[in-house]
Amino acid sequence: DGGITQSPKYLFRKEGQNVTLSCEQNLNHDAMYWYRQDPGQGLRLIYYSQIVNDFQKGDIAEGYSVSREKKESFPLTVTSAQKNPTAFYLCASSISGYSTEAFFGQGTRLTVV
Amino acid sequence: AQSVTQLDSQVPVFEEAPVELRCNYSSSVSVYLFWYVQYPNQGLQLLLKYLSGSTLVKGINGFEAEFNKSQTSFHLRKPSVHISDTAEYFCAVSDLTNAGGTSYGKLTFGQGTILTVHP
Repeated sequence: DGGITQSPKYLFRKEGQNVTLSCEQNLNHDAMYWYRQDPGQGLRLIYYSQIVNDFQKGDIAEGYSVSREKKESFPLTVTSAQKNPTAFYLCASSISGYSTEAFFGQGTRLTVV
Repeated sequence: AQSVTQLDSQVPVFEEAPVELRCNYSSSVSVYLFWYVQYPNQGLQLLLKYLSGSTLVKGINGFEAEFNKSQTSFHLRKPSVHISDTAEYFCAVSDLTNAGGTSYGKLTFGQGTILTVHP
């Protein structure tokens, strides 16, 4: 079945450590996105990528980094510079950067202790 | 910049009652509108979308929404809810945004409405 796979579902890390969240899609979509979700705040865009080897900062990129070396993969690294990293992270994709219908993965809940 | 306001953070309702979840957006230019549903600890699933055409849009699970351009609203309705409809619902607006010299369709989400259906 086609879809978006995020792993792991739950992740615990110590404060000060970098951590990488995985996102893989087999939908042959060009565009991929990372969102952060906090209670009562909806979803906020961290980074997006319209094509391979290209990505742009979203609204809350500070303390995060991404790469897009393959069309199907868009990993997100939460660095130690992110002041409040504990959150639910959602990866999404769409057919193209112009497409407005996004498909979402199941999310990764990151807890930093 | 776009903004989306979901007027109710929580909506409790009894099973088989009708429900309306309200959504207003800021832009007066052409936009695309979406409603997504999220069950606990899961991703978002598309309920319905308005791109153009008829202002009444039907989606999955018996939901429908009406696009009202003059009031910049896109309220979600269901005539009779079930226990299984208990979830968080997000309204989203998309338009083309320029960044880094290119255009892309950017989704802006509302804060979410938690619908709780009681037996």
